Amino acid sequence: DAGITQSPRHKVTETGTPVTLRCHQTENHRYMYWYRQDPGHGLRLIHYSYGVKDTDKGEVSDGYSVSRSKTEDFLLTLESATSSQTSVYFCATGGGETQYFGPGTRLLVL
Amino acid sequence: GIQVEQSPPDLILQEGANSTLRCNFSDSVNNLQWFHQNPWGQLINLFYIPSGTKQNGRLSATTVATERYSLLYISSSQTTDSGVYFCAVIANAGKSTFGDGTTLTVKP
Repeated sequence: DAGITQSPRHKVTETGTPVTLRCHQTENHRYMYWYRQDPGHGLRLIHYSYGVKDTDKGEVSDGYSVSRSKTEDFLLTLESATSSQTSVYFCATGGGETQYFGPGTRLLVL
Repeated sequence: GIQVEQSPPDLILQEGANSTLRCNFSDSVNNLQWFHQNPWGQLINLFYIPSGTKQNGRLSATTVATERYSLLYISSSQTTDSGVYFCAVIANAGKSTFGDGTTLTVKP
């Protein structure tokens, strides 16, 4: 499996606070993705990157921003967390064919 | 955007039974993958299959791109096959769309 780590793995925060999730890969994959998974919705794409400093919006991008300054790191920021952003967040990477997923981050916004 | 529909939403089998999961998509795609999410939440890629047929042990998959569907076959199911099976497609430049999944329960 691809070397993909996510940090933190669990986080509890309060409404209105900023939150940054980190995805780190050791595979030199070109593409990186952030998804959220909620009951009844499967996985929904938040943002993705197709290269350093090259990002684009996904299906549910409102309230989220991303940055990719290095091939190996893809950061997801919630500028002002809301309770509706309570979810499990997955990072994935790929070279253009197969996507490989990280272990996920459980975020609870109180 | 592209729509992905998976069926059935839920499936309960006895150990040893065979099953077929279906994924329909609304537009041409250049990438289609099947994933298994185990009960602990881990997502594992099963197949990259934008067209044609592939087999890996008891699992096989077929995509008919011209008719916009893909099938995942599970033979001689085992309790460890339980979990959620997702189909995901990419129509252009990396933007991927997942179906809502099929939840499979295999009973001993």
